[in-house]
Amino acid sequence: SALTQPPSASGSPGQSVTISCTGTSSDVGGYNYVSWYQQHPGKAPKLMIYEVNKRPSGVPDRFSGSKSGNAASLTVSGLQAEDEADYYCSSYAGRDKGVIFGGGTKLTVL
Amino acid sequence: EAQLLESGGGLVQPGGSLRLSCAGSGYMFSAYSIVWVRQAPGKGLEWASAISAAGGSTFYADSVKGRFTISRDNSQNTVSLQMNSLRADDTAVYYCAKSEKYAAEFWGQGTLVTVSS
Repeated sequence: SALTQPPSASGSPGQSVTISCTGTSSDVGGYNYVSWYQQHPGKAPKLMIYEVNKRPSGVPDRFSGSKSGNAASLTVSGLQAEDEADYYCSSYAGRDKGVIFGGGTKLTVL
Repeated sequence: EAQLLESGGGLVQPGGSLRLSCAGSGYMFSAYSIVWVRQAPGKGLEWASAISAAGGSTFYADSVKGRFTISRDNSQNTVSLQMNSLRADDTAVYYCAKSEKYAAEFWGQGTLVTVSS
C-alpha cells in the first residue's frame, strides 16, 4: 500500500510549510529509510532528504525531515518561488515490498 | 559529473516486448545499486525494479514480477530492463537512478514507454 500524503499544501514566500507522510509500523515506523523527492513539471525527481533527516550535498538547509512513530514529515522553511513542485515521500517496507512511495503533494507558493 | 542516461523507450503493442538501457558515467558505477522507477502519466512514482552493485540481488515490484528482468554489465557501465508481456498499465516514463540505502540519489532524464495498439 502507498504511503499517505495530503494532495496539496501551500504557503507564502518566507513562510514554513510541513508535508506529512503516514505509513505503518511495517514501513515508516519500522525503518529509518524515509526519503523525500522534489519534482518540477516535466523533470526527473530530485532527492531532497534521505534516511529521515539527512540532506544530500547541495540541498538547502531550508529543507528538513523528521519522523515520529509511523509518520514522517518534510518541512520547507523560508519558502521560495522555486520550491513550488510536487513532493513525494518514500520508505523501505521490507524485503518483499521494497520501497514504497506516497501519492505526492503539490506544493504551491502563493 | 555523475550522470545516468536511459534509452530504449517507445511505442509497443500490448503483449509486446521492449528493452530499456541505463548507461552510467562519472562515478564508480560498479559500486552502487541501480533502481528503475516508473511514473505513469499524471501519476505518482513506483519503485519497479532494482539490482545490487554486483548484480547478485534483484527486486521486482509485484506489478512487474514475472514479466520484467533486470540485469547489469559493469564492464560496460550499463543496466538493462527487459520488459515482456507489456500491458497498457505499463505505460510510463521509466527513470533509472543510482540507489543507496533505499534512496534514489540521482536520476536519469527518463524514457517514455507507451503500450498501445
